[in-house]
Formats: sequence, C-alpha cells, structure tokens
Amino acid sequence: QPVLTQPPSASASLGASVTLTCTLSSGYSKFKVDWYQQRPGKGPRFLMRVGTDGIVGSKGDGIPDRFSVLASGLNRYLTIKNIQEEDESDYHCGAEHGSGSNFGLVFGGGTKLTVL
Amino acid sequence: EVQLLQSGAEVKKPGESLKISCKGSGYTFTNYWIGWVRQMPGKGLQWMGSIYPADSDIRYSPSFQGQVSISADKSIAVAYLQWNSLKASDTAIYYCARFDYYDSNGPYRLGYWGQGTLVTVSS
Repeated sequence: QPVLTQPPSASASLGASVTLTCTLSSGYSKFKVDWYQQRPGKGPRFLMRVGTDGIVGSKGDGIPDRFSVLASGLNRYLTIKNIQEEDESDYHCGAEHGSGSNFGLVFGGGTKLTVL
Repeated sequence: EVQLLQSGAEVKKPGESLKISCKGSGYTFTNYWIGWVRQMPGKGLQWMGSIYPADSDIRYSPSFQGQVSISADKSIAVAYLQWNSLKASDTAIYYCARFDYYDSNGPYRLGYWGQGTLVTVSS
C-alpha cells in the first residue's frame, strides 16, 4: 500500500501564497490523492482530488478558487493563494488503494499551516 | 443537504463496551459507502473501515480488524461503530464520512463528514 508523507508544519503570511506537498511512496506515481482541510476543533472537510493531470472531478462544496492542485511525479500539491486567517488549519492528504476485499485508505500525517 | 449526524461524546472505563452512531440524511443512505476514521489526540487521520449500507458489505483496515465492529441499519439510515472491550488507547475522536463515488476499485472521495464523536476511556 502507498505511504503518504507530509511535512508536519508550514507557515505563510496573510495575503501570500503557500504550496503544501503530499509525497507518495515509490511505485505509486499514478495514484490519485484527496486533500482535506481541518480547522481547529472541527472535523475534516473535503477540498479536492488530484491525479497526475491535476484536479479530478469537482471541488468540495464552497471551496474558493484560491485553492488549487497540481501533480508532479510522486508529489501532489495543494496551493493556497491570497491566504486568509481562516485558512489556518491542518491539511491532510489521503489515497485509496487496492480493490474488493483488499480495499484500503491511507492518510498522510497532516501539515499544520500557520498564518502569520 | 447531505448531513451526517453523530452521537454525542462518551466517557467509558477500560473493559466497557460502546456503540456510537452516524445518521445520514439528505441523500439515499443505501447508495453510498460510509467510512469510519479515527483521530487520536493531536494526531492524524486513520481509516478504520467502511460499510455499504445496502447489503452491509464491510471492509476493515488490518489495523482495526478484530478490534471494532462496523454495522448499519438501513431502515433508519444509521451506521454504527462498536467496541466490546475498550482500552485507554481507544481514546480519540471518531468520524464517519460518506464516500461520494464508487468505481471498479472501490469507493473513493470522502466528500461529507460527521461532526465527530469524542470517546474518552479512563479508569
């Protein structure tokens, strides 16, 4: 099964941009990844899914255009432009794997984004 | 509007049993897989297992197989997560979430999440 690696923390200034990275383990370069936002004290919220060619399907409900995704090799990126205070959250990536009775879902460790 | 409403916080002692619930509304409950996800204090997300309420087809994470039971009552649109004997290490927030799609590999995209149920296990 894939392993998803995320840096534990990131920071960006209000109004700036930041790119968060989720790295798939070797051999899983074709896998799609979902990005989730988790605000302090809240449950996760689906942002969008990213495959090798970029976004797959639609964004989650109410996700602003400031959020976008890209992919390169084993990396799946989430970029946030014009960062707002409400963007200060934990960001998790997740990926399904296997099929049938071997189905599974793995998450990265999450990145805590601090807005300066 | 799709909603997943989870049961309230629980405080239990080690060895006790527990069943928490997740009620779906605003969509056809039987048409979508439901997943359960654990978040231990200050930690990331861990997938525990998933159920398809139409026929109670269940997939467990190997890490949770035998430790918990997942079930659903489609007549009342509720999914459950159950423990027979809790441990202190089960202290966590538990989320249910709905998979939006399904393909030949299985369900994908947890598009809607419940508010979480905090389970505290302490003597």
